[in-house]
Order: sequence, then C-alpha cells, then structure tokens
Amino acid sequence: QQQVKQSPQSLIVQKGGISIINCAYENTAFDYFPWYQQFPGKGPALLIAIRPDVSEKKEGRFTISFNKSAKQFSLHIMDSQPGDSATYFCAARKGTGNQFYFGTGTSLTVIP
Amino acid sequence: DTEVTQTPKHLVMGMTNKKSLKCEQHMGHRAMYWYKQKAKKPPELMFVYSYEKLSINESVPSRFSPECPNSSLLNLHLHALQPEDSALYLCASSLTPAANYGYTFGSGTRLTVV
Repeated sequence: QQQVKQSPQSLIVQKGGISIINCAYENTAFDYFPWYQQFPGKGPALLIAIRPDVSEKKEGRFTISFNKSAKQFSLHIMDSQPGDSATYFCAARKGTGNQFYFGTGTSLTVIP
Repeated sequence: DTEVTQTPKHLVMGMTNKKSLKCEQHMGHRAMYWYKQKAKKPPELMFVYSYEKLSINESVPSRFSPECPNSSLLNLHLHALQPEDSALYLCASSLTPAANYGYTFGSGTRLTVV
C-alpha cells in the first residue's frame, strides 16, 4: 500500500501566491523527509528535507512544516514563480535500510 | 563534480535487442540505485548497490540485469524487454547507504521498447 500519501494531485497558483502540498504517513519508523522537484525530462532534484526533531525548516522561498503527532508534513512555496512549475514528490525514509518511499506527486503550475 | 551522469539520454530498442544503460558519479558516493519512472508516477526502486554489492533487488524481472564494476560506475543491462518496460530509467547515488542527505539523481534515460 502507499506508504506516503500526497495531495493534491495537481495545483494551479497565480504568480506571487503560496503553493502548499501536503503529505501524510503512518510508519513512525520514518526519520527523514525530503522533497524532490522534477522538471519534464529531468531527474528529481532534492529541494529541501527535514528530520522529525524539528517542526519547520526554511530555505529561501521553500518551507517544510512538520507535525510529528499528526504524522503529516507539507511544503510551502512562497511568492510562487512560473519557474517553479514542476512536479513535486515528498518522500520518507526508514531509519533502518536505505529505501525511500515516495508520494504520488503533485503537478504544480504557476500562472503568470 | 556534483552530478550523476547517465548515458544514453534516449534509447529505442526492439524486443530482441540487448542494450546497456550507463551511470557514472565522481562524488565518492558509496550507494547507487536504479529507479524506473512511468509518466506522471513516482520513481519505483529497482536495485540498490551498497559498497559495490547488490543489497536490494525489488523483484525485478531477469530481463533487467544490474552491474556495478566499481564505486563510480553502475550499469543496467537490458535483454528481451517488453513494450511495457518503456519508461524513464533513473540512476541515483547517495553518500552512504543510509542516504542521510537524500539522493542525487541523474537526468535519466528515456527508453522506448518497440
């Protein structure tokens, strides 16, 4: 079954707006939560990541919010730009083993 | 060098052909991965190499055969593929098998089986 649930499947945001993508998980053994950005025809690129001992991490316009008790985490893109239009995948890794479980992806379109 | 380089970028092969995909990294990463990605889907793990040894094989059909000749190079040998194997094949690497800093992905090989 899907270990990491991601929503929405697609998202359209006006330029300058805030894009929010949500992920939820069940396995409390997950200890590392990255977000990947993928442009068409390219491989995913690590955007930002968080560990469960912090509730928020910010890098430039990108912020991860993490709610350990609710087992949810989300990506916020502030001042969204057309160049942010891409597919975003959340992921989670178990403390043991080196396999990442990916969410189903969110296709973001930022309209000028 | 902070890249994972995959060649070729595009490959069209017949169902009776034998071909190989190549992946190279010079970041000193000791774990390397093959993923398969279908359109509008997340990457699916195929194989994991840790310190040049195969550590995970996600029940991939034998028509896919991985090889890790050294710590910088990863190959995926393809034989007798089916049209449903058409996909983007991604190579990734991580500093250690624990992947504490995530993966670095290559740009992929777009494979079409005809």
